[in-house]
Amino acid sequence: DTGVSQDPRHKITKRGQNVTFRCDPISEHNRLYWYRQTLGQGPEFLTYFQNEAQLEKSRLLSDRFSAERPKGSFSTLEIQRTEQGDSAMYLCASSSTGPGYEQYFGPGTRLTVT
Amino acid sequence: KQEVTQIPAALSVPEGENLVLNCSFTDSAIYNLQWFRQDPGKGLTSLLLIQSSQREQTSGRLNASLDKSSGRSTLYIAASQPGDSATYLCAVRNYGGSQGNLIFGKGTKLSVKP
Repeated sequence: DTGVSQDPRHKITKRGQNVTFRCDPISEHNRLYWYRQTLGQGPEFLTYFQNEAQLEKSRLLSDRFSAERPKGSFSTLEIQRTEQGDSAMYLCASSSTGPGYEQYFGPGTRLTVT
Repeated sequence: KQEVTQIPAALSVPEGENLVLNCSFTDSAIYNLQWFRQDPGKGLTSLLLIQSSQREQTSGRLNASLDKSSGRSTLYIAASQPGDSATYLCAVRNYGGSQGNLIFGKGTKLSVKP
């Protein structure tokens, strides 16, 4: 197993454009999480899935953000009408449902909105 | 609302020193605590996970302790090496709810000088 993968690793976009990121979790993990990290801060939780069900969403996840995990495998995070404040590292993690729910992170997608 | 604080924000030590990184949290009703390492521009690497019923965990030169009642955890690094230079993050998972997200501190940036 190669761990959690994310694509693309870097994305530069102009304000107002839509962007989509993909995350492939560790294959046997049924939980998948999205976080956002800005410079000098710890990651902040956005949302998570158990299998294909989205179980929790943060207040940070505005209406412009949507996440899917259609078949309980990979997940996508879409940001519509990007704003400069969306510039951040978007991190994906996965875990099993026990015993400690230890989360394993991917390399992240660095988004720059110009 | 759970808040996680890490002190100091940055630390510089000469190679070979033993060092301690501190993490505190405001709500002691945690399920577990996880320590991560993050290299610049990269994702997070899980170092140690301590369940709420445990007092410490060890992996190689790393030892993490947990005092849930006082809301504190420490990460001890023995015989530090330049390769240990990175940002170290601690994160807690609360009891209750869907036990989805981790709540992170801002991290301690460690620099080990040769």
